[in-house]
Amino acid sequence: EPEVTQTPSHQVTQMGQEVILRCVPISNHLYFYWYRQILGQKVEFLVSFYNNEISEKSEIFDDQFSVERPDGSNFTLKIRSTKLEDSAMYFCASRDFNEQFFGPGTRLTVL
Amino acid sequence: GQQVMQIPQYQHVQEGEDFTTYCNSSTTLSNIQWYKQRPGGHPVFLIQLVKSGEVKKQKRLTFQFGEAKKNSSLHITATQTTDVGTYFCALGGTPLVFGKGTRLSVIA
Repeated sequence: EPEVTQTPSHQVTQMGQEVILRCVPISNHLYFYWYRQILGQKVEFLVSFYNNEISEKSEIFDDQFSVERPDGSNFTLKIRSTKLEDSAMYFCASRDFNEQFFGPGTRLTVL
Repeated sequence: GQQVMQIPQYQHVQEGEDFTTYCNSSTTLSNIQWYKQRPGGHPVFLIQLVKSGEVKKQKRLTFQFGEAKKNSSLHITATQTTDVGTYFCALGGTPLVFGKGTRLSVIA
């Protein structure tokens, strides 16, 4: 069964450093998303991406964040200068019709 | 933006007992989705409800959408240890707006 994959599973970084989180969505899906979940809290929307551009973004997704689909398979989330409060689980998701399929997540720890 | 309230926040049950989680919105919803997240895992889609008063069943899970399409519930009959996790409702659409979830623990 096709699935969304994410790398790395865990990323530890120093405050102020740049990180890139990678996702490979399900191949025939057209809509892609990034969500984050701070430990013990709800899943929060960051950004949606369709037709090679951002279709919607939340207030969390400020100028420090960017997304890219550099080729036909990868979908990346870049955080330019990480802050302590960026520590969270980051989930990528892709969608066909109604159902969003989530990847296993990347746990980002900012020290 | 739209928000959804989900209660209870936590529920501890003995194995075999029933469990229910509720989602409420102040506005009429076009649809609602339910997800399950196992401890340390990622959200997994369970179901989408679209029609007023809709009831759907998946084995021991029963999902309801209110007549006014402002609330929804998930009921699990005779819980098992495999039901452990957090159950989220989410306002369907792009993007999903998640409730805070109900964390279910099942004591064997």
